[in-house]
Amino acid sequence: DARVTQTPRDKVTEMGQEVTMRCQPILGHNTVFWYRQTMMQGLELLAYFRNRAPLDDSGMPKDRFSAEMPDATLATLKIQPSEPRDSAVYFCASGPGYSETQYFGPGTRLLVL
Amino acid sequence: GENVEQHPSTLSVQEGDSAVIKCTYSDSASNYFPWYKQELGKGPQLIIDIRSNVGEKKDQRIAVTLNKTAKHFSLHITETQPEDSAVYFCAASPNNFNKFYFGSGTKLNVKP
Repeated sequence: DARVTQTPRDKVTEMGQEVTMRCQPILGHNTVFWYRQTMMQGLELLAYFRNRAPLDDSGMPKDRFSAEMPDATLATLKIQPSEPRDSAVYFCASGPGYSETQYFGPGTRLLVL
Repeated sequence: GENVEQHPSTLSVQEGDSAVIKCTYSDSASNYFPWYKQELGKGPQLIIDIRSNVGEKKDQRIAVTLNKTAKHFSLHITETQPEDSAVYFCAASPNNFNKFYFGSGTKLNVKP
């Protein structure tokens, strides 16, 4: 049963620390999305990639967030420095590219104190 | 850009009754409309989707209808069961590299 995996599942850190979240997309999927979910804003698209190339990162605060795909099996989302307002659940999703469907991972729950 | 509105924000039904969740979208270029179910502590799970060349799609107890003229689409769940309790999200996608615009979610509570 192919699925998107994310690590860590939970992260508690202090303000100013660097946070790195990792995602393994479903094997063979060539589109990868990063979302942030909060009670106030709902599901927000932060960035997405096709064939490892960034297509749109307009949803990310550029000064502190960065997203990369070092290879086809790994996507990373980094926050440096982290702030309390970054506390949220971060989801990664992947898609096969030949259709619009996106499959979500279980999420990383981030708490910045 | 696209704007998706979803109603109601909460919905409580008795087990066995039907539930309907409605969404409207603004961009006539949107042509793909998925519905996701999110259980507590989990990621959204795709439950059904519809493309703009189809007016209705059904999968067992779940159906989705689309009215392109009015720019709205709805999720219908029949014979609801307690395990249907979750938050449901609609989304719309213009033909724009799979970018989704999500509704704000509907918390469905099915009372036994």
